[in-house]
Amino acid sequence: SAVISQKPSRDICQRGTSLTIQCQVDSQVTMMFWYRQQPGQSLTLIATANQGSEATYESGFVIDKFPISRPNLTFSTLTVSNMSPEDSSIYLCSVGPTSGTDTQYFGPGTRLTVL
Amino acid sequence: GEDVEQSLFLSVREGDSSVINCTYTDSSSTYLYWYKQEPGAGLQLLTYIFSNMDMKQDQRLTVLLNKKDKHLSLRIADTQTGDSAIYFCAESKGNYQLIWGAGTKLIIKP
Repeated sequence: SAVISQKPSRDICQRGTSLTIQCQVDSQVTMMFWYRQQPGQSLTLIATANQGSEATYESGFVIDKFPISRPNLTFSTLTVSNMSPEDSSIYLCSVGPTSGTDTQYFGPGTRLTVL
Repeated sequence: GEDVEQSLFLSVREGDSSVINCTYTDSSSTYLYWYKQEPGAGLQLLTYIFSNMDMKQDQRLTVLLNKKDKHLSLRIADTQTGDSAIYFCAESKGNYQLIWGAGTKLIIKP
């Protein structure tokens, strides 16, 4: 399985500012995914980060609000732009597919609080 | 439509078996997954089962799949306090994406 790290692990931000979250994998992976997990909720996929092309966003998420970079096969960033308290969530990075399955492995998450 | 459903809470006594249930709707799912999320942590893959299997056992964990009823369960034998977590069921969509249940919070009583 891949080892995934995220930075920062948590942050408290002011309304209207932006935060960039980094996701680093210890091996090259085809796909990287960004999820949001609001308090007490399940996971919602924000987008799939593709190396060398634009990210693919899910319904309800737009590039202007959540710009994503994927400069190589081991690294991706997610920016949460112009934040509001409603953006307070855990943001999770995952990688896949692996071992011929759709299995995803997750980073430890970034806990974001917007005041 | 695509939907994965789980009960939100399960309470068991330490030492008993825990059975967490999940129903899904997409009969074409190839893999079904169980993930564990401890407080303040990311998701840890516990186990997965291929859709042509009906059972998989891994130490204290037993996964049962009833494909006809689209029902998946996770049994944890001899439940310990360290098993306290939220358990997520997920099914594969076939395009490398997963559809997630809401998660079942497992509460261990002493």
